[in-house]
Formats: sequence, C-alpha cells, structure tokens
Amino acid sequence: EVQLVESGGGLVQPGRSLRLSCAASGFTSDEHAMHWVRQSPGNGLEWVSGISWNSVTTVYADSVKGRFTISRDNAKNALFLQMNSLRAEDTALYYCARDMSTIPRYYFDNWGQGALVTVSS
Amino acid sequence: IVMTQSPATLSVSPGERATLSCRASQSVTNNVAWYQQKPGQAPRLLIYAASTRAAGVPARFSGSGSGTDFTLTISSLQSEDFAIYYCQQYNNWPPYSFGQGTKLEIK
Repeated sequence: EVQLVESGGGLVQPGRSLRLSCAASGFTSDEHAMHWVRQSPGNGLEWVSGISWNSVTTVYADSVKGRFTISRDNAKNALFLQMNSLRAEDTALYYCARDMSTIPRYYFDNWGQGALVTVSS
Repeated sequence: IVMTQSPATLSVSPGERATLSCRASQSVTNNVAWYQQKPGQAPRLLIYAASTRAAGVPARFSGSGSGTDFTLTISSLQSEDFAIYYCQQYNNWPPYSFGQGTKLEIK
C-alpha cells in the first residue's frame, strides 16, 4: 500500500523558513516524480512544485519561485520542501503527491494527509 | 491555462445523476484528471486521461471530453459521493492548474 506522510509543519513568522518532509513507503521512490500541492483554508488546490525521479528536473509555481526549493533523497524514500522568506499567503495545508511518471508531467495518483503551515506574527 | 468549473455548487438527490463541468482556457487535448475531496481528507484521484477511471473507482463515475470541455458524471449518487470535485490539467506545465472546485451537496 502506498503511503505518504508529511511532517515539519507549524507556526512560523513572516520572513522565516520552514522545511517540510514527506516519507514515502509502499512503492519504489525512483520510479516516480513527486509534487507538493497546497490548499489554503477553505480554498481550492494550488500546485506548488514538482521533481523528477532523479532530481534533474524541478519545476515551481511562479508564486514560490526563488523562495521554495524541492529536493528528494531516494535512498531514504523522502521528499522535501525548503520554504524561505515565508509570507502570510503561504499559509496552507501542504500535500505531498505522487506523479504517475518518472518526470513531473502527469496527474497525482496518491496523496498524503498534509502538513499545516501557518505564517503569522 | 485556466480551468473553470461549473457550477460552483450542485444540489442533487441520492440516486439521481450528477453532471459536473470543467472548461479549459485553451486546448489541453485529453490531459485532464478529476479528484474527489471529502472534508478533512486529502484529494483522491478518480479519473485521468479525461475518461479513464483510476483503480478502485466505482463504475458510476465516468469522465468525458477533449480539447477544452470536460464532464464528470456520477450516474446514481450514493451518500458517500457528496464532496468537492476538482478538475486538473496536465497538458501544459508548469503550472499544473486546478479548477476552483464544484461542491456536490445533498438536495
């Protein structure tokens, strides 16, 4: 059974940093690209970032480009999102999601339960 | 690419058919997925490639469309189907854009 478990969320002040992690199990990490998708309270889904199986390809939404960095460690079956210069509008539930392909090009067939990030002074 | 879903809220009685629409601002061929999200839960993949059901999805869910207009149909609504539904395009990326969602509620 595929499982994705996010961690690292919390309350952080504007301008500070936070690092999210996603622990993957039940599948071979290096056969899938991975993504982060967020959902602000009461709102819809917003794709944030994606990474290929070998970390060669990384893509970002314009809203986070230059502030967020996605990475992965296949040996540890882990996905990360380093979030710097956080803003109030980054407040959201952040989901880790698996892509059907080895590069970030398709839909998301498995999702974690999310990690809540709150940016507030 | 902007994905626009309609209606924002759909009220349907159990046992009836529900039809949800999604329109893309430009052609996305058939690269559209549909997700279901229940309160307090993560989204769940229902449909990909516009019309292919994901593993374990009941046959009452069907998708159709190509180009710019897509439809998710639930043939006979069960109580567990009342949720929010999102469409997503993955033809032109990044970004992978989602629609704003359609809330399917009990009439």
